[in-house]
Amino acid sequence: EAGVTQSPTHLIKTRGQQATLRCSPISGHTSVYWYQQALGLGLQFLLWYDEGEERNRGNFPPRFSGRQFPNYSSELNVNALELEDSALYLCASSWDSSYNEQFFGPGTRLTVL
Amino acid sequence: RKEVEQDPGPFNVPEGATVAFNCTYSNSASQSFFWYRQDCRKEPKLLMSVYSSGNEDGRFTAQLNRASQYISLLIRDSKLSDSATYLCVVNAGSARQLTFGSGTQLTVLP
Repeated sequence: EAGVTQSPTHLIKTRGQQATLRCSPISGHTSVYWYQQALGLGLQFLLWYDEGEERNRGNFPPRFSGRQFPNYSSELNVNALELEDSALYLCASSWDSSYNEQFFGPGTRLTVL
Repeated sequence: RKEVEQDPGPFNVPEGATVAFNCTYSNSASQSFFWYRQDCRKEPKLLMSVYSSGNEDGRFTAQLNRASQYISLLIRDSKLSDSATYLCVVNAGSARQLTFGSGTQLTVLP
């Protein structure tokens, strides 16, 4: 069974640009989650999508946004990039279970210059 | 107070040793609990879900004490391949938002 996939692996942008990150969940999983892991820091929850709707949002500004497509894949968009947005962005997916075991993709490493 | 607190580490142990990690959480409404491992610059991988009755998977044993809001992970007969950062993770329920501890780094020495 294929795991969570993310693209691109690496992304280099300059301040003020926009970045788009993509995620495909494990087959059968309907929920997709986005997390940010800045260098030396812990994972911070960004967004949760389920059935095409944004269900929950972490403590991040509105320039972090995303969407989920009918095939459950997801995009994370970061507008007006700032230097401190440089981080590993991880996508996870889960099936519709109250226990909520989440499985992570390999991440997209975003560097903002 | 952090929502999920772990032993600061790092833990450096010889092969074959037994090592225990502890974790406390602050949200009494937390409903599910996990241990993940994360290798350097890689994604976290689910190691174990932690159930109320405690559970074991080979050399790994996890315990949950809801009254004390405490989770533990015991690794027996440590292998070099166990070297990683171990993350204590808590889900507060309907928000489906995992809260991660800062992690404990384990190095198993030959």
